[in-house]
Amino acid sequence: KAGVTQTPRYLIKTRGQQVTLSCSPISGHRSVSWYQQTPGQGLQFLFEYFSETQRNKGNFPGRFSGRQFSNSRSEMNVSTLELGDSALYLCASSLSLGQPQHFGDGTRLSIL
Amino acid sequence: DQQVKQNSPSLSVQEGRISILNCDYTNSMFDYFLWYKKYPAEGPTFLISISSIKDKNEDGRFTVFLNKSAKHLSLHIVPSQPGDSAVYFCAASAIQGAQKLVFGQGTRLTINP
Repeated sequence: KAGVTQTPRYLIKTRGQQVTLSCSPISGHRSVSWYQQTPGQGLQFLFEYFSETQRNKGNFPGRFSGRQFSNSRSEMNVSTLELGDSALYLCASSLSLGQPQHFGDGTRLSIL
Repeated sequence: DQQVKQNSPSLSVQEGRISILNCDYTNSMFDYFLWYKKYPAEGPTFLISISSIKDKNEDGRFTVFLNKSAKHLSLHIVPSQPGDSAVYFCAASAIQGAQKLVFGQGTRLTINP
Protein backbone atom coordinates (compact mmCIF):
# COMPACT_ATOMS: atom_id res chain seq x y z
CA LYS A 1 0.00 0.00 0.00
CA ALA A 2 1.51 3.33 -1.05
CA GLY A 3 2.17 5.83 1.72
CA VAL A 4 1.75 9.57 1.77
CA THR A 5 3.63 11.13 -1.14
CA GLN A 6 4.97 14.67 -1.02
CA THR A 7 6.50 16.56 -3.91
CA PRO A 8 8.98 18.03 -4.38
CA ARG A 9 11.37 16.64 -1.73
CA TYR A 10 13.62 19.69 -1.82
CA LEU A 11 13.03 23.25 -2.89
CA ILE A 12 15.12 26.41 -2.84
CA LYS A 13 13.45 29.79 -3.16
CA THR A 14 14.36 33.42 -2.51
CA ARG A 15 12.65 35.93 -0.25
CA GLY A 16 9.46 37.37 -1.67
CA GLN A 17 8.70 34.43 -3.95
CA GLN A 18 5.80 32.06 -3.48
CA VAL A 19 5.78 28.27 -3.37
CA THR A 20 3.28 25.44 -3.77
CA LEU A 21 3.81 22.06 -2.15
CA SER A 22 1.85 18.95 -3.04
CA CYS A 23 0.60 15.98 -1.03
CA SER A 24 -1.09 12.76 -2.14
CA PRO A 25 -2.64 10.93 0.83
CA ILE A 26 -2.86 7.20 1.36
CA SER A 27 -5.58 5.76 -0.84
CA GLY A 28 -8.94 5.98 0.93
CA HIS A 29 -7.80 8.61 3.44
CA ARG A 30 -9.91 11.75 3.28
CA SER A 31 -8.30 13.83 6.00
CA VAL A 32 -5.06 15.64 5.17
CA SER A 33 -3.08 17.77 7.63
CA TRP A 34 0.02 19.90 7.20
CA TYR A 35 2.77 20.56 9.72
CA GLN A 36 5.89 22.69 9.78
CA GLN A 37 9.04 21.42 11.49
CA THR A 38 11.84 23.80 12.45
CA PRO A 39 14.73 23.32 14.91
CA GLY A 40 13.45 26.12 17.15
CA GLN A 41 9.69 25.50 17.20
CA GLY A 42 9.53 21.76 16.57
CA LEU A 43 6.51 20.28 14.80
CA GLN A 44 3.64 22.73 14.50
CA PHE A 45 0.19 22.23 13.04
CA LEU A 46 -0.65 24.35 9.99
CA PHE A 47 -4.10 23.22 8.86
CA GLU A 48 -6.33 20.24 8.18
CA TYR A 49 -8.65 19.45 5.30
CA PHE A 50 -11.47 16.95 5.02
CA SER A 51 -13.69 16.56 1.98
CA GLU A 52 -12.25 19.72 0.41
CA THR A 53 -13.07 21.82 3.51
CA GLN A 54 -10.60 23.34 5.92
CA ARG A 55 -11.60 22.00 9.32
CA ASN A 56 -8.88 23.40 11.49
CA LYS A 57 -6.15 26.01 11.25
CA GLY A 58 -3.03 26.57 13.31
CA ASN A 59 -1.49 29.83 14.40
CA PHE A 60 0.23 30.86 11.18
CA PRO A 61 -0.09 34.08 9.15
CA GLY A 62 -2.43 34.35 6.18
CA ARG A 63 0.54 33.89 3.82
CA PHE A 64 0.11 30.18 4.50
CA SER A 65 -2.87 28.68 2.72
CA GLY A 66 -3.99 25.34 1.42
CA ARG A 67 -6.65 23.47 -0.41
CA GLN A 68 -7.88 19.95 -0.98
CA PHE A 69 -9.19 18.50 -4.21
CA SER A 70 -12.03 16.07 -4.78
CA ASN A 71 -9.54 13.16 -5.01
CA SER A 72 -8.25 14.13 -1.50
CA ARG A 73 -4.91 15.37 -2.84
CA SER A 74 -3.85 18.57 -1.13
CA GLU A 75 -1.63 21.55 -1.84
CA MET A 76 -0.27 24.19 0.45
CA ASN A 77 0.88 27.58 -0.70
CA VAL A 78 3.18 30.08 0.98
CA SER A 79 3.31 33.58 -0.49
CA THR A 80 5.85 36.35 0.04
CA LEU A 81 8.41 33.94 1.42
CA GLU A 82 10.53 34.98 4.41
CA LEU A 83 13.81 33.55 5.67
CA GLY A 84 11.97 32.12 8.67
CA ASP A 85 9.82 29.96 6.40
CA SER A 86 12.80 27.67 5.86
CA ALA A 87 11.58 24.39 7.30
CA LEU A 88 10.54 20.82 6.67
CA TYR A 89 6.88 20.77 5.63
CA LEU A 90 5.12 17.53 6.45
CA CYS A 91 1.82 16.24 5.21
CA ALA A 92 -0.17 13.57 7.05
CA SER A 93 -3.31 11.67 6.17
CA SER A 94 -5.76 9.66 8.21
CA LEU A 95 -8.83 7.56 7.58
CA SER A 96 -11.12 9.44 9.95
CA LEU A 97 -11.34 11.28 13.25
CA GLY A 98 -9.69 9.44 16.09
CA GLN A 99 -7.48 7.46 13.72
CA PRO A 100 -3.69 7.93 13.68
CA GLN A 101 -2.15 10.22 11.13
CA HIS A 102 0.45 8.82 8.75
CA PHE A 103 3.15 11.16 7.52
CA GLY A 104 4.97 11.64 4.26
CA ASP A 105 8.72 12.27 4.13
CA GLY A 106 8.22 16.00 3.77
CA THR A 107 9.38 18.82 1.54
CA ARG A 108 12.54 20.60 2.70
CA LEU A 109 12.10 24.27 1.82
CA SER A 110 15.14 26.57 1.96
CA ILE A 111 14.78 30.32 1.56
CA LEU A 112 17.85 32.28 0.44
CA ASP B 1 3.10 27.81 26.16
CA GLN B 2 4.27 24.27 25.50
CA GLN B 3 1.30 22.00 26.06
CA VAL B 4 3.21 18.77 25.45
CA LYS B 5 6.66 18.37 26.96
CA GLN B 6 9.36 15.78 26.60
CA ASN B 7 11.86 16.81 29.21
CA SER B 8 14.66 14.46 28.18
CA PRO B 9 16.29 15.57 24.91
CA SER B 10 18.26 12.33 24.76
CA LEU B 11 18.38 8.83 26.23
CA SER B 12 20.97 6.10 25.89
CA VAL B 13 20.05 2.45 26.56
CA GLN B 14 21.88 -0.83 26.17
CA GLU B 15 20.60 -3.29 23.59
CA GLY B 16 18.19 -5.80 25.12
CA ARG B 17 17.24 -3.54 28.02
CA ILE B 18 14.04 -1.54 28.46
CA SER B 19 13.77 1.97 27.03
CA ILE B 20 11.34 4.30 28.79
CA LEU B 21 10.44 7.60 27.15
CA ASN B 22 8.35 10.11 29.04
CA CYS B 23 5.92 12.84 28.08
CA ASP B 24 3.88 15.34 30.11
CA TYR B 25 0.94 17.44 28.99
CA THR B 26 -0.91 20.39 30.46
CA ASN B 27 -4.16 20.59 28.49
CA SER B 28 -6.89 18.54 30.19
CA MET B 29 -8.90 18.56 26.95
CA PHE B 30 -6.42 16.18 25.31
CA ASP B 31 -7.99 12.76 25.00
CA TYR B 32 -5.96 11.00 22.33
CA PHE B 33 -2.21 10.42 22.50
CA LEU B 34 0.27 9.03 20.00
CA TRP B 35 3.94 8.16 19.75
CA TYR B 36 5.92 8.60 16.54
CA LYS B 37 9.45 7.58 15.63
CA LYS B 38 11.52 9.67 13.23
CA TYR B 39 14.68 8.83 11.34
CA PRO B 40 16.73 11.59 9.65
CA ALA B 41 15.40 12.63 6.23
CA GLU B 42 12.15 10.71 6.76
CA GLY B 43 8.73 11.69 8.04
CA PRO B 44 7.49 10.54 11.47
CA THR B 45 6.34 6.94 11.59
CA PHE B 46 3.31 6.11 13.72
CA LEU B 47 4.12 3.63 16.51
CA ILE B 48 1.24 3.36 18.95
CA SER B 49 -1.67 5.37 20.31
CA ILE B 50 -3.93 5.44 23.33
CA SER B 51 -7.22 7.11 24.07
CA SER B 52 -8.04 8.61 27.44
CA ILE B 53 -10.51 5.84 28.28
CA LYS B 54 -7.57 3.43 28.63
CA ASP B 55 -4.47 3.48 30.80
CA LYS B 56 -2.38 1.01 28.80
CA ASN B 57 -2.01 -0.15 25.23
CA GLU B 58 0.40 -2.76 23.90
CA ASP B 59 1.65 -3.56 20.45
CA GLY B 60 4.48 -6.05 20.28
CA ARG B 61 7.57 -4.60 21.93
CA PHE B 62 5.86 -1.23 22.47
CA THR B 63 3.61 -0.35 25.40
CA VAL B 64 2.16 3.07 26.14
CA PHE B 65 0.98 3.97 29.64
CA LEU B 66 -1.31 6.89 30.39
CA ASN B 67 -1.73 8.47 33.84
CA LYS B 68 -4.50 11.02 33.41
CA SER B 69 -4.36 12.36 36.95
CA ALA B 70 -0.67 13.15 36.54
CA LYS B 71 -1.11 14.19 32.89
CA HIS B 72 1.76 11.90 32.02
CA LEU B 73 2.36 9.22 29.43
CA SER B 74 5.27 6.95 28.78
CA LEU B 75 6.44 4.62 26.03
CA HIS B 76 8.18 1.39 26.99
CA ILE B 77 10.23 -0.52 24.44
CA VAL B 78 11.21 -4.03 25.46
CA PRO B 79 13.67 -5.37 24.45
CA SER B 80 15.45 -2.42 22.87
CA GLN B 81 17.10 -3.07 19.51
CA PRO B 82 19.70 -1.07 17.55
CA GLY B 83 17.05 -0.23 14.92
CA ASP B 84 15.09 1.60 17.62
CA SER B 85 17.70 4.38 17.61
CA ALA B 86 15.75 7.42 16.40
CA VAL B 87 13.99 10.55 17.65
CA TYR B 88 10.70 9.80 19.39
CA PHE B 89 7.86 12.31 19.52
CA CYS B 90 4.77 12.16 21.65
CA ALA B 91 1.70 13.97 20.36
CA ALA B 92 -1.74 14.78 21.71
CA SER B 93 -5.07 15.90 20.38
CA ALA B 94 -8.57 16.62 21.55
CA ILE B 95 -11.04 14.67 19.43
CA GLN B 96 -13.23 17.68 19.04
CA GLY B 97 -10.13 19.49 17.77
CA ALA B 98 -10.21 17.21 14.74
CA GLN B 99 -6.79 16.12 13.58
CA LYS B 100 -4.74 18.91 15.12
CA LEU B 101 -1.81 17.21 16.81
CA VAL B 102 0.32 19.02 19.37
CA PHE B 103 3.83 17.56 19.49
CA GLY B 104 6.51 17.41 22.13
CA GLN B 105 10.05 18.46 21.25
CA GLY B 106 11.25 14.89 20.87
CA THR B 107 13.70 12.57 22.63
CA ARG B 108 16.69 11.13 20.79
CA LEU B 109 17.02 7.46 21.75
CA THR B 110 20.34 5.71 21.18
CA ILE B 111 20.59 1.96 21.61
CA ASN B 112 24.12 0.82 22.34
CA PRO B 113 25.24 -2.69 21.33
